[in-house]
Amino acid sequence: DGGITQSPKYLFRKEGQNVTLSCEQNLNHDAMYWYRQDPGQGLRLIYYSQIVNDFQKGDIAEGYSVSREKKESFPLTVTSAQKNPTAFYLCASSPRGTGSGNTIYFGEGSWLTVV
Amino acid sequence: GDSVTQMEGPVTLSEEAFLTINCTYTATGYPSLFWYVQYPGEGLQLLLKATKADDKGSNKGFEATYRKETTSFHLEKGSVQVSDSAVYFCALSDLEAAGNKLTFGGGTRVLVKP
Repeated sequence: DGGITQSPKYLFRKEGQNVTLSCEQNLNHDAMYWYRQDPGQGLRLIYYSQIVNDFQKGDIAEGYSVSREKKESFPLTVTSAQKNPTAFYLCASSPRGTGSGNTIYFGEGSWLTVV
Repeated sequence: GDSVTQMEGPVTLSEEAFLTINCTYTATGYPSLFWYVQYPGEGLQLLLKATKADDKGSNKGFEATYRKETTSFHLEKGSVQVSDSAVYFCALSDLEAAGNKLTFGGGTRVLVKP
């Protein structure tokens, strides 16, 4: 089945550690996104990529890094510089950008907890 | 910049009641509008969308009409079920905005009681 796979579903991080969240899609989409969701709140854009080997900062990029070496993959690294990393992280993709009405599709999300 | 404003929840209803969730937007161009639904512990699923003024999106008994004159995209369902309990997000995408990406409202939690 086509879709977006995020892993791991649950992740615990010690303070000072970097962790990487995986996101893979087999929808042949050009654009990929990372959003952060805090409990009871909306989604905030961390990073997005509209094409391989290119990505842009979203609204809350500080403390995060990404790479886009392959069309199918858009991993997110939460670095030790991110002061409040505990959140639900959602990866998404769309055929191109969403401005032309293209639908953005979401993965199931990854819960990150700092212990 | 672009923004989306939704009514705050939670919205608590009885089964078979009528549901309305208000959504208004601000955009620089002519956006496409979306409603997404999130069930507990899951990602977001597209519920419906509309790409131009006066379009009506519909799915699973939910409807929303793109109203350019009032910059609104209110979500409605005539008879809700317990399984409709979820968080609903209104969103827009704007070709003229930098980054060509989705802007979300804050979400509205809906709880349907038997």
